[in-house]
Amino acid sequence: QKEVEQNSGPLSVPEGAIASLNCTYSDRGSQSFFWYRQYSGKSPELIMSIYSNGDKEDGRFTAQLNKASQYVSLLIRDSQPSDSATYLCAVNIRSGYSTLTFGKGTMLLVS
Amino acid sequence: DTAVSQTPKYLVTQMGNDKSIKCEQNLGHDTMYWYKQDSKKFLKIMFSYNNKELIINETVPNRFSPKSPDKAHLNLHINSLELGDSAVYFCASSLRTSGRGQETQYFGPGTRLLVL
Repeated sequence: QKEVEQNSGPLSVPEGAIASLNCTYSDRGSQSFFWYRQYSGKSPELIMSIYSNGDKEDGRFTAQLNKASQYVSLLIRDSQPSDSATYLCAVNIRSGYSTLTFGKGTMLLVS
Repeated sequence: DTAVSQTPKYLVTQMGNDKSIKCEQNLGHDTMYWYKQDSKKFLKIMFSYNNKELIINETVPNRFSPKSPDKAHLNLHINSLELGDSAVYFCASSLRTSGRGQETQYFGPGTRLLVL
């Protein structure tokens, strides 16, 4: 069973701090990695995508990928109360098509 | 507005009934998906269509039957509804470009199904 694991949280951080969200995956053949944000009662929306080892920055968000460790993370700098949501890690395990396997999500609370 | 839309937003029905959920996207995408999100917020793929062809059919009861009349529409029909079918059903779409599975999926607003 190919899996994506996340700590369900909640992860509580004070406003202005850095929030660090982590995700591990089981399939070494995985090629594409995505972070989605989901507010309560809403649909998931894409925050970041990353395909190569290393860091990718977009505004206050940085995605980090380490394929050798099968680990992907999302850092949120200067966390704001509006960042409070569930963050879903998604991995494309199946080659050729965009087929996402989601983790169960980490709830982030910024206060 | 360009988007993925779903109807209805809410669906309350009795056990044993048959119901349909409709999805439309006007993003020009060629691949569409159905996901189920259960009460524990776990989001799981059910079906995927590319250019009206079924490409993913996860372990889903036969009571669930998707239909894609064209690239912009993907409907989900559910027969003999059961209590365990209560969940939020999300439609999503993407454009298959690189063939490397890097395409971003865009989600509809969801259909909240409650089976009594």
